[in-house]
Amino acid sequence: EDQVTQSPEALRLQEGESSSLNCSYTVSGLRGLFWYRQDPGKGPEFLFTLYSAGEEKEKERLKATLTKKESFLHITAPKPEDSATYLCAVQSGNTPLVFGKGTRLSVIA
Amino acid sequence: DSGVTQTPKHLITATGQRVTLRCSPRSGDLSVYWYQQSLDQGLQFLIQYYNGEERAKGNILERFSAQQFPDLHSELNLSSLELGDSALYFCASSGDETQYFGPGTRLLVL
Repeated sequence: EDQVTQSPEALRLQEGESSSLNCSYTVSGLRGLFWYRQDPGKGPEFLFTLYSAGEEKEKERLKATLTKKESFLHITAPKPEDSATYLCAVQSGNTPLVFGKGTRLSVIA
Repeated sequence: DSGVTQTPKHLITATGQRVTLRCSPRSGDLSVYWYQQSLDQGLQFLIQYYNGEERAKGNILERFSAQQFPDLHSELNLSSLELGDSALYFCASSGDETQYFGPGTRLLVL
């Protein structure tokens, strides 16, 4: 059974204080690892898809990396508008996405 | 804006009632997925349709059913509602492996 564990559950940063969010996963054969951002009461917003170990993708202050067991979402010099819950999900074969419970990020000005 | 639309945005109903949630996928997407999100459970996959056919089933209760119509919009029917069914319900669509989510329907069962 595919499993996803995200840590920490919650993270509080000062504006400009860089950090990383972790997503550990167990799958039988990774087809893709997905990062989403979710604001309170809104639908998840797609950020990145990673397919194989060693792959990296960047978007503004966010950079996602992938190894065979985990993915990191690095946030460089965050701003208050980066505050949200960040969700990680994995897919193996043609099975549905399995989501982690998310990391709730708060960036304080 | 993901291009996925959901109606209604909010729904308040009573226990034992039945409701229908509607989803229109992004233009060209053949797959539609339904998810339930409650505070303590995170995003739980319910069911997937592909071009009108059921493709995958998750933890969907027997009181819940869904369908996808020829124009590719989908409806999720929830019946004999219980207090515990109160949650956010999301629809997502995809053309490949990336799913794009709608804004959700917040259901409150009183």
